[in-house]
Amino acid sequence: QLQLQESGPGLVKPSETLSLTCTVSGGSISSSSYYWGWIRQPPGKGLEWIGSIYYSGSTYYNPSLKSRVTISVDTSKNQFSLKLSSVTAADTAVYYCARWNGDYVSLDYWGQGTLVTVSS
Amino acid sequence: EIVLTQSPATLSLSPGERATLSCRASQSVSSYLAWYQQKPGQAPRLLIYDASNRATGIPARFSGSGSGTDFTLTISSLEPEDFAVYYCQQRSNTITFGQGTRLEIK
Repeated sequence: QLQLQESGPGLVKPSETLSLTCTVSGGSISSSSYYWGWIRQPPGKGLEWIGSIYYSGSTYYNPSLKSRVTISVDTSKNQFSLKLSSVTAADTAVYYCARWNGDYVSLDYWGQGTLVTVSS
Repeated sequence: EIVLTQSPATLSLSPGERATLSCRASQSVSSYLAWYQQKPGQAPRLLIYDASNRATGIPARFSGSGSGTDFTLTISSLEPEDFAVYYCQQRSNTITFGQGTRLEIK
């Protein structure tokens, strides 16, 4: 059974860079037809796609966040990572990593999510 | 950016009743639409992909329909565990989600 697990600091100061890693187990991050993505959800609000990456390194970002987002992949560790720069309180959210199934055009496996708070 | 508008915002029904949730796209997304269920404190769970296909392990009481700009998620007979928030999501160009419909117990 595929599992995804987010890890990283739960508290980030304003103007700094948020960094999270997603570790994939029970399957290879290098499988074809799958992308790997980040989605966030501010407390009490809806879902926002941040971006996705293919194991080759090809990336796709939400245009509204593109200037601040970097997603990378480490196939040797079966991990992918998110960096979001110049954070503000508006970036406080639960951050999820998920698998994008290209055949199903949907996110079919999700991590449990990790709350990141931006505060001084 | 394609905007997805879900209605109603909140739906109050009783167990055993039929639920009909709507998702309307600001422009055609063909059949590139998925539905997710989210319970408090949990990650979303994929229910429906490609507008009408149930994901693995999803009960038959869940069904999806529609194409182009108008889509519907139907739960034929509500079970207690179905009360949750439901989101639609499109992948016609970038990925966007609707704002969600909260299905609550009446």
